[in-house]
Amino acid sequence: GDSVTQMEGPVTLSEEAFLTINCTYTATGYPSLFWYVQYPGEGLQLLLKATKADDKGSNKGFEATYRKETTSFHLEKGSVQVSDSAVYFCALRIKAAGNKLTFGGGTRVLVKP
Amino acid sequence: KAGVTQTPRYLIKTRGQQVTLSCSPISGHRSVSWYQQTPGQGLQFLFEYFSETQRNKGNFPGRFSGRQFSNSRSEMNVSTLELGDSALYLCASSSGRGEEEQYFGPGTRLTVT
Repeated sequence: GDSVTQMEGPVTLSEEAFLTINCTYTATGYPSLFWYVQYPGEGLQLLLKATKADDKGSNKGFEATYRKETTSFHLEKGSVQVSDSAVYFCALRIKAAGNKLTFGGGTRVLVKP
Repeated sequence: KAGVTQTPRYLIKTRGQQVTLSCSPISGHRSVSWYQQTPGQGLQFLFEYFSETQRNKGNFPGRFSGRQFSNSRSEMNVSTLELGDSALYLCASSSGRGEEEQYFGPGTRLTVT
């Protein structure tokens, strides 16, 4: 079946540090890939997405590139802020499965001033 | 445009009882998906409804059921509650076509005692 694996947290960083969260996937079809963010007490917000190989999704300084050859979609940000503290989820969607999202386990990120 | 609303936000139930959760999607959206979020299992897809029809279903027992009304509002029901059903239940809405974004609600926190 389809699955997403992402690095376990928590990841603790200082403000302005570089952030990388690894994400790899296994899919039966050709997936679209997503990063969602969850702030305390809230639902999920879409951070960025990529729908085909070599696409780069970007938003709010975050970037991720769809790498079909390594089945990866790593999230990066060059300079994190305290406000980036949250849980980040990598997810995939197979077109044939409608809107079903398959999520990774989530990575908690804590940015200290 | 109002976002996805879920009611109630918090709920405490006793083992063996049943519970109904409600989700109102963004106006004009016809697809509603439900997810269960727990610390142990992470985010898991329950089911998706589109135009009052279940379009996809996850691997949950039959105690978990849902429906969608003609105004696209959706309910999910859990019968014979177990302690392991304690979770944050999230719903997401989208137009239901193509690669459009899904918008998540804040969730309903269910505690089973």
